[in-house]
Order: sequence, then C-alpha cells, then structure tokens
Amino acid sequence: EAQVTQNPRYLITVTGKKLTVTCSQNMNHEYMSWYRQDPGLGLRQIYYSMNVEVTDKGDVPEGYKVSRKEKRNFPLILESPSPNQTSLYFCASRREDEQYFGPGTRLTVT
Amino acid sequence: RKEVEQDPGPFNVPEGATVAFNCTYSNSASQSFFWYRQDCRKEPKLLMSVYSSGNEDGRFTAQLNRASQYISLLIRDSKLSDSATYLCVVKVGGSYIPTFGRGTSLIVHP
Repeated sequence: EAQVTQNPRYLITVTGKKLTVTCSQNMNHEYMSWYRQDPGLGLRQIYYSMNVEVTDKGDVPEGYKVSRKEKRNFPLILESPSPNQTSLYFCASRREDEQYFGPGTRLTVT
Repeated sequence: RKEVEQDPGPFNVPEGATVAFNCTYSNSASQSFFWYRQDCRKEPKLLMSVYSSGNEDGRFTAQLNRASQYISLLIRDSKLSDSATYLCVVKVGGSYIPTFGRGTSLIVHP
C-alpha cells in the first residue's frame, strides 16, 4: 500500500529536550516536505527536499532541522523545542503536483 | 492581505443541497491550483486539481477565474460524508512552496 508514515503520532515533551519525528514514504517520490498546522493559520511549510541531500527552507524553518540521507526518509529534528512549536505536524511526499500526507504528529511542548 | 483567503464557515447545509466555496489568491503569478479535503484531525487529501478550463468529478466541480483571481468548488447533492474542511492550495510557477488557505468548514446535516 502506497503511504507516508510518521512516528510518533503523539508526543508530549519539555522545553529544550531534543526530539526527532520520523517520516518515511514507499512511493519512491523525490520531493518530500514538512508542514505544521495551527488553528487559524492553516498549513505552513517548514522545509522541503527535492532529492537526497537536497533540502531547502519553507515559510517557517526557524527552530527546525531536516536531513535527507535516503530517498524514502525525511526526519524533522527539533534541537531545542519550545512551547511555540506545539502544533500538528504533517510530512508529505509529492508526485507531480499531488501531495500525499502522512497521518500527522501532534506535538506538545511544555 | 493574505495570499490565499477562504471563508472559514462553517457552511451548514442539508443533505441534497448544492454548496459552493470560493478561494481568492493575491499573487497573479500563481499557476497551479488545488482543492484538498481534510477530515477532523486527519491528513489532507487531494480532492481535485483546478484547470483553466474547469473540471468536474462526479458531484464536484472546480473552476478558475484568473481575471478575478479566485477558484471555486461546487458540490452538488451534498452527502453527510462530505462534511469536512476544504483547503484551497495555490502555487506560483517555479516555486516549491505551495500556499494553503485556512480552509472552509462544511457541515452536511440530515
């Protein structure tokens, strides 16, 4: 089954404790991206990757890092999470113009 | 002015009704347009792309008005299962960062 998976699905953590949210797709897509979704603000792109070892900033990259060492994986790293990073995060991969989203990761930073 | 604007609703309609949403965009260089559907707390899923000539998929019709810079989504014969948030997505030609609207909430009641 073609899909994008994310882990964990839910995470509660404390300020400053490094965390990684994993994302994996099995569709051999070159393009992958990360979004956050906040009430009243809609989906905003954090980072995207055009291919292995090629990443670039989206609209709201501050406080996040990404890496793309393999085509299928695109982890999102929060080196020092802060409460304003509490949000719903979606990973997506893209074929042509259609984006396939993962199920989301609900992150709470206290 | 926001780049992509949608009426958040909710649009509350009875089963069988016809309902239409609009989405306005501010960047005249926008070239790609989409409607995504998002169920509560779930990932967005592509509903349909919007072509210059307009397109129809069953009960759903999408249209683009470049002169007035808006796209529309028409849903005929509404079903209970159509209840969701509908996201408008716009992308400028050559950009890798799509812009999402905040979404329009639709509630179809018996």
